[in-house]
Amino acid sequence: DAKTTQPPSMDCAEGRAANLPCNHSTISGNEYVYWYRQIHSQGPQYIIHGLKNNETNEMASLIITEDRKSSTLILPHATLRDTAVYYCIVRSGNTGFQKLVFGTGTRLLVSP
Amino acid sequence: EAGVAQSPRYKIIEKRQSVAFWCNPISGHATLYWYQQILGQGPKLLIQFQNNGVVDDSQLPKDRFSAERLKGVDSTLKIQPAKLEDSAVYLCASRRAGSPTGELFFGEGSRLTVL
Repeated sequence: DAKTTQPPSMDCAEGRAANLPCNHSTISGNEYVYWYRQIHSQGPQYIIHGLKNNETNEMASLIITEDRKSSTLILPHATLRDTAVYYCIVRSGNTGFQKLVFGTGTRLLVSP
Repeated sequence: EAGVAQSPRYKIIEKRQSVAFWCNPISGHATLYWYQQILGQGPKLLIQFQNNGVVDDSQLPKDRFSAERLKGVDSTLKIQPAKLEDSAVYLCASRRAGSPTGELFFGEGSRLTVL
């Protein structure tokens, strides 16, 4: 699976959009981009994933560049409860024996 | 739908003692994972089961760690003997076969402190 690079930390004001970048320059054609987050003292939680098209769900939007070498997770109106570590993971599209390989993620702090 | 259950939530032991953690995945989830998360790091996969068979245990320190999922449902992770560096949160996760998102559901973890 391709390696990802994320900033170690970011700050965001409550109510503003949080844009979390991820670099995955070695991604291959069948690899998906997944985002999970981990709130303090909890297990990671799935947010969203995509292959090449932009995706949106009730939690967030995922913007993947045309060359697929980077992506951005967007939390449109961040709240204090969005304070967490956000992990960007690239995973093979083979659904047989999928596993997630976590990096160190981005620690997002949302402040009032 | 009940989530992934883990116990105990907290455990403190001395080095060279043994410890066991239990996981009950979401009903019907065929794939089960154990991850180790050391403070300040992302979770690291220890072992992956598909039903009661091991799919990947390449990162499991087999001289001291063992895991089983005898009936393809509950799983137990054991450490014997424990070392100081085993202090971590042990996370269990499960995934439904054929899930369109491939989403993993995690439990809250078992925090181990080795003194």
